[in-house]
Amino acid sequence: DTGVSQDPRHKITKRGQNVTFRCDPISEHNRLYWYRQTLGQGPEFLTYFQNEAQLEKSRLLSDRFSAERPKGSFSTLEIQRTEQGDSAMYLCASAGYGYTFGSGTRLTVV
Amino acid sequence: KNEVEQSPQNLTAQEGEFITINCSYSVGISALHWLQQHPGGGIVSLFMLSSGKKKHGRLIATINIQEKHSSLHITASHPRDSAVYICAVIVVGNQFYFGTGTSLTVIP
Repeated sequence: DTGVSQDPRHKITKRGQNVTFRCDPISEHNRLYWYRQTLGQGPEFLTYFQNEAQLEKSRLLSDRFSAERPKGSFSTLEIQRTEQGDSAMYLCASAGYGYTFGSGTRLTVV
Repeated sequence: KNEVEQSPQNLTAQEGEFITINCSYSVGISALHWLQQHPGGGIVSLFMLSSGKKKHGRLIATINIQEKHSSLHITASHPRDSAVYICAVIVVGNQFYFGTGTSLTVIP
């Protein structure tokens, strides 16, 4: 499978815990995006990398959210001290000549 | 106020009908995407447009940059077209703004 893969597919966590999601983009794509989608809403842009450089992070929802792409390949999105409002689908996409989306990680905070 | 507005929010059509989904945006863009999201959540990029018109099978997308408007047309609609269709614009800095989506149901 040469698409964008996200891990895990589902995550249930207790409020206050930290969670980390991983995105593996298409290998030749240099751009990587993270989005959040809540039920019934369109995706919401969070942050964007070109290679290992995080070019836009002002749209991250709070300082509890952080993302890395240390070697310009896979990326991680971490949410610290999760809150119930963080429950959503977290989507990753990679871009080269086109855009390819992953299937997302569904987070449920209980 | 949303930078990207889509209409209608929900659409039900009979199989075979011609369908149009509209997208208006208020920001300067470098390109516009039409995305298709299936009930399981996976998103597929249907088109990326910066001008004119593109066609792929039964799908046609148009954009009018001056009017800041784009339309997605589906000819001879089929139940497998049932999905949420999302308009997304790319602005300076490669940031995305998304519409809230149009939920399409095609009835056999």
